[in-house]
Amino acid sequence: EAQVTQNPRYLITVTGKKLTVTCSQNMNHEYMSWYRQDPGLGLRQIYYSMNVEVTDKGDVPEGYKVSRKEKRNFPLILESPSPNQTSLYFCASTLLAGAYNEQFFGPGTRLTVL
Amino acid sequence: AQTVTQSQPEMSVQEAETVTLSCTYDTSESNYYLFWYKQPPSRQMILVIRQEAYKQQNATENRFSVNFQKAAKSFSLKISDSQLGDTAMYFCAFMKAGGTSYGKLTFGQGTILTVHP
Repeated sequence: EAQVTQNPRYLITVTGKKLTVTCSQNMNHEYMSWYRQDPGLGLRQIYYSMNVEVTDKGDVPEGYKVSRKEKRNFPLILESPSPNQTSLYFCASTLLAGAYNEQFFGPGTRLTVL
Repeated sequence: AQTVTQSQPEMSVQEAETVTLSCTYDTSESNYYLFWYKQPPSRQMILVIRQEAYKQQNATENRFSVNFQKAAKSFSLKISDSQLGDTAMYFCAFMKAGGTSYGKLTFGQGTILTVHP
């Protein structure tokens, strides 16, 4: 089954404790991205990757890191989480970021930083 | 930069009736795509319908249709014969069709739709 998976689905952590949210897709997609969803703000892009070893900032990259060592995986790293990073996070992928291709979203990760 | 505005935080409709969700956007781009996504309580993001800006004909998908007014930068979603399963948060989204940062979706704030039996 074609899908985007994220782990964990739920995470409660404390300020400053490094964490990684994994994202994996099995569709051989080139373009992957991370979004955060906050009430009243919709979804906003954090980082994106056009292909392996090619990543760039989205609209709200502060406090986050990403890497793209393999085509299928695009982890989101919070090196020192803070309470303002409490949010719902989505990973998304699409075949090519060119002519329209449908974006596939993961199931979301609910992160709470205390 | 593009912005997408959904001015209706919440809406409700009776089952089997029709409801229209509003969306406006601002862009200097001439070529782009517009989308409506549904987010049910499961939180999964589900593509409902998309519209290519170069197409004058409004997109339709079964009970879902859009009213795309390019000059007015308006993109509303009409849901006909509303069903209980339509209860969800609906997001309007914009994507450039080329140039830098394409592939990025710019979302509106969302509209919570509740369908009452």
